[in-house]
Amino acid sequence: EAQVTQNPRYLITVTGKKLTVTCSQNMNHEYMSWYRQDPGLGLRQIYYSMNVEVTDKGDVPEGYKVSRKEKRNFPLILESPSPNQTSLYFCASTALPEPSNEQFFGPGTRLTVL
Amino acid sequence: DAKTTQPPSMDCAEGRAANLPCNHSTISGNEYVYWYRQIHSQGPQYIIHGLKNNETNEMASLIITEDRKSSTLILPHATLRDTAVYYCIVRLMHSGGGADGLTFGKGTHLIIQP
Repeated sequence: EAQVTQNPRYLITVTGKKLTVTCSQNMNHEYMSWYRQDPGLGLRQIYYSMNVEVTDKGDVPEGYKVSRKEKRNFPLILESPSPNQTSLYFCASTALPEPSNEQFFGPGTRLTVL
Repeated sequence: DAKTTQPPSMDCAEGRAANLPCNHSTISGNEYVYWYRQIHSQGPQYIIHGLKNNETNEMASLIITEDRKSSTLILPHATLRDTAVYYCIVRLMHSGGGADGLTFGKGTHLIIQP
């Protein structure tokens, strides 16, 4: 089954404790990205990657890092989490170029930083 | 990307057609209209997209006005599982370069009534 998986699905942590949220897709997609979703602010892109070893900032990259060492994986790293990073995070992927340009989203990771 | 305007909420009876409007009066000639939906706190799901012709797939139909300043998503026989927030997005089709973040506004909360 074609899918994007994220782990963990739920995480409660404390300020300053480094964490990684993993994202993996099995569709051989070139493009992957991370979003965060907050009430009243919609979905905002954090980072994206056009292919292996190619990453770039989205709209809200501060406080986050990413890496793309393999095509299927795109982990999101919070080196020193802060309470304002409490949010619902989604990973997404799509093929390039893709006529339908459908983005496939993961199930989400709900992060709480105390 | 062009801005869209959608009603904040709509009700529809189960089994009836749900018609969700979207205004995008500033859309440019090469921007597409995309629809996604998000069932409570799940990852957004692609529904359909179009440029200027009406489109239909297994999930829905998309009707775009001749001047392209508005569109309507039609769910022909709504079920309770169609209760979700529906997002209308206008953007360029992915060209393979640059950020490609989807900008989700507040969308329309569609509630299917039994």
